[in-house]
Amino acid sequence: AQSVAQPEDQVNVAEGNPLTVKCTYSVSGNPYLFWYVQYPNRGLQFLLKYITGDNLVKGSYGFEAEFNKSQTSFHLKKPSALVSDSALYFCAVRDEENTGFQKLVFGTGTRLLVSP
Amino acid sequence: DAGVTQSPTHLIKTRGQQVTLRCSPKSGHDTVSWYQQALGQGPQFIFQYYEEEERQRGNFPDRFSGHQFPNYSSELNVNALLLGDSALYLCASSLEGGATTIQYFGAGTRLSVL
Repeated sequence: AQSVAQPEDQVNVAEGNPLTVKCTYSVSGNPYLFWYVQYPNRGLQFLLKYITGDNLVKGSYGFEAEFNKSQTSFHLKKPSALVSDSALYFCAVRDEENTGFQKLVFGTGTRLLVSP
Repeated sequence: DAGVTQSPTHLIKTRGQQVTLRCSPKSGHDTVSWYQQALGQGPQFIFQYYEEEERQRGNFPDRFSGHQFPNYSSELNVNALLLGDSALYLCASSLEGGATTIQYFGAGTRLSVL
């Protein structure tokens, strides 16, 4: 079965500094990986995805993610954090064995807190 | 272009009652998935509907059922509510087909069971 792990419950960073939110995955075949962000009292917003190809994926709001097959990781990054980036971030993996069904398996989430 | 809309926003029920949650998918989308997000947890997949049929189901009991209508909107029904059913219920819509498909989420319905 597929799974993702987000080892940090919370990440603290100062505004203007680079940020990294970590994610590792486990799948039996090729991974399809996603990052979503959740603001208070809001649903999940799609940030970016990795399906195949370039290991550096660029997404919305200046975020990017680096896919590393040997380390089975898909870390979310941003060169310069904003206070408005403070939110809950979820990594998710698609069930590769049933790609037509689009089921997503989510991690437990990482809370990002950007201080002024 | 309206995104995914869910109703109601909040709901309070008592144990043993039944509840119906509703979802309208993003325009042009034909597939609806439902997720349960307990406090402090990531969303857990309940089931997915396509062409008015349940296509895939997660590890949820039969108390959880759903329906998809010809206009692609969907309902989630939960019978015999338990305290543990208290959660944020998220609906996601997508377009069938392809590994690049993105699921778009609504704001959710927060269910409190007392």
